[in-house]
Amino acid sequence: DSGVTQTPKHLITATGQRVTLRCSPRSGDLSVYWYQQSLDQGLQFLIQYYNGEERAKGNILERFSAQQFPDLHSELNLSSLELGDSALYFCASSVGQGARGYTFGSGTRLTVV
Amino acid sequence: DQQVKQNSPSLSVQEGRISILNCDYTNSMFDYFLWYKKYPAEGPTFLISISSIKDKNEDGRFTVFLNKSAKHLSLHIVPSQPGDSAVYFCAARGSLGAGSYQLTFGKGTKLSVIP
Repeated sequence: DSGVTQTPKHLITATGQRVTLRCSPRSGDLSVYWYQQSLDQGLQFLIQYYNGEERAKGNILERFSAQQFPDLHSELNLSSLELGDSALYFCASSVGQGARGYTFGSGTRLTVV
Repeated sequence: DQQVKQNSPSLSVQEGRISILNCDYTNSMFDYFLWYKKYPAEGPTFLISISSIKDKNEDGRFTVFLNKSAKHLSLHIVPSQPGDSAVYFCAARGSLGAGSYQLTFGKGTKLSVIP
């Protein structure tokens, strides 16, 4: 157990729908990062939050959004889902913003049918 | 534009021998490099890292080498064990400004250690 909790582990939904992925960071970690891993792709950075504020955006689609709440958990919202959004979504956390080694959760596998 | 490349999708090594995983990068501004290991159905776990001001870092059976002029790093595992069978991701850290950083990952190399 890495200390980073992601729910749900698996999610199957239809095209056009909206889903919310949840991440609880490791105790004491203020930064949360979201990554997407599609088939045969590396981990693509989506977005970073630090202590409730958005700090960096990567290749995140406009249909996707995220937030970090006062208790530091984060949610990634995916809307108007397409087949190509099927992927593993990982959340990672770190104490600061230095990115000297994140701690990853075990991921949410999203399947869009 | 892939800034971090792992050109070998897979690698098979006999137990007890050396495993060498390679990674190339294009951005000379990367200042820190990491290797992550990932087992099926789990998230990546941090393995070893190296600062851009060093050329070698060792931790037990794992050694990372950095060649800045060639923009190349490698992970050596000696001796390889069956439990090392996993996907290995190379990652590089880049600054986003204002004290914020981002890790850019390669696509991974699947290592199989054969007993």
